[in-house]
Amino acid sequence: NAGVTQTPKFRILKIGQSMTLQCTQDMNHNYMYWYRQDPGMGLKLIYYSVGAGITDKGEVPNGYNVSRSTTEDFPLRLELAAPSQTSVYFCASSPTSGYNEQFFGPGTRLTVL
Amino acid sequence: DAKTTQPPSMDCAEGRAANLPCNHSTISGNEYVYWYRQIHSQGPQYIIHGLKNNETNEMASLIITEDRKSSTLILPHATLRDTAVYYCIVRGNTGFQKLVFGTGTRLLVSP
Repeated sequence: NAGVTQTPKFRILKIGQSMTLQCTQDMNHNYMYWYRQDPGMGLKLIYYSVGAGITDKGEVPNGYNVSRSTTEDFPLRLELAAPSQTSVYFCASSPTSGYNEQFFGPGTRLTVL
Repeated sequence: DAKTTQPPSMDCAEGRAANLPCNHSTISGNEYVYWYRQIHSQGPQYIIHGLKNNETNEMASLIITEDRKSSTLILPHATLRDTAVYYCIVRGNTGFQKLVFGTGTRLLVSP
């Protein structure tokens, strides 16, 4: 199993541009999550999904959109990128929410200039 | 979610035990204590969790005080690869329960 994979690893955007961060998991997990991590800080939950077709907001959803058309994929869309969205983005998955462990991807480092 | 308090940084000599403390004085009866770590630039990695009994796995031991207001993560023989930020997180196990990451403890293991 590859686990949780994310693409791209790095990206530089100009203010106002849009992009999609890709996340795929091959563990058949129902739950998937998107977090962002600013320098020196802990992770903050952006969006999560409890299964295909179901998504919900986390702590910091503004400026982002998600979709979950399949169990495997959970892309994060940034519309009109702003410097405040410069961060490292982590995708994670777990079989259920109450499950002990979330499995994290390697992250996407995004810079908005 | 109950909040946790951890020291910002700790040092440990290679081969010695690393004891990382965490205070969670407002923890409720159905909330578990979880530990994750994040090695530089990587995604967080689950270590261990517990409710009220001490727990041990191949990575670490978790000691929870009887009143459950604090806990200690123990890495019995720290190696250089254990250098990371360690997060203590309190969460329930029913319904949707998010992981709330604080700033953690930065553990530096030195030769």
